[in-house]
Amino acid sequence: DQQVKQNSPSLSVQEGRISILNCDYTNSMFDYFLWYKKYPAEGPTFLISISSIKDKNEDGRFTVFLNKSAKHLSLHIVPSQPGDSAVYFCAATFQGAQKLVFGQGTRLTINP
Amino acid sequence: GAVVSQHPSRVICKSGTSVKIECRSLDFQATTMFWYRQFPKKSLMLMATSNEGSKATYEQGVEKDKFLINHASLTLSTLTVTSAHPEDSSFYICSARTGQGGYSPLHFGNGTRLTVT
Repeated sequence: DQQVKQNSPSLSVQEGRISILNCDYTNSMFDYFLWYKKYPAEGPTFLISISSIKDKNEDGRFTVFLNKSAKHLSLHIVPSQPGDSAVYFCAATFQGAQKLVFGQGTRLTINP
Repeated sequence: GAVVSQHPSRVICKSGTSVKIECRSLDFQATTMFWYRQFPKKSLMLMATSNEGSKATYEQGVEKDKFLINHASLTLSTLTVTSAHPEDSSFYICSARTGQGGYSPLHFGNGTRLTVT
């Protein structure tokens, strides 16, 4: 039972354009969401998070949007840079929980 | 910033042997650490939650006798893959949270690539 889903295994975007990565979840108990970036042979690195009391959180080039009614969140990267090429995982948790539930990941490739 | 160190980064072992992977929190104390496993082109799957001074909590389907976890101090957790087989070959990643509860981000080690021949 995949509670967090990233339906696009890969995404290719031209440098300078906007990258939009999507994530859907099924568990309505989730109230905190995170995005991680992962390079090959390395552990994931935390990027940005959002609480369910918000619908948007912005940090530099990265913005996360949350649509609770649709159980959907997205990560926007603008402008996209070659160094953004990596696998991006969304993750979810809820108050009192210790562990995160991860999506399958989306491989983002930024083309020069 | 918070750093989680994992060692070794890569290990090759023969079938039937045991392998120990260390996870250290370098500049903070972690009462809880998490061990994940990543299969090729798959998500990060939580294997177990390592609790300092007590037994680890294993996820459903994870053999606790095969994947031994020891969290002997506030800065060190170890995962031992016992009697390793080729199907245990995978990328193992540990993580820890600097704050309490689920709202502080997990910080991950760089992972260990295990290859069992």
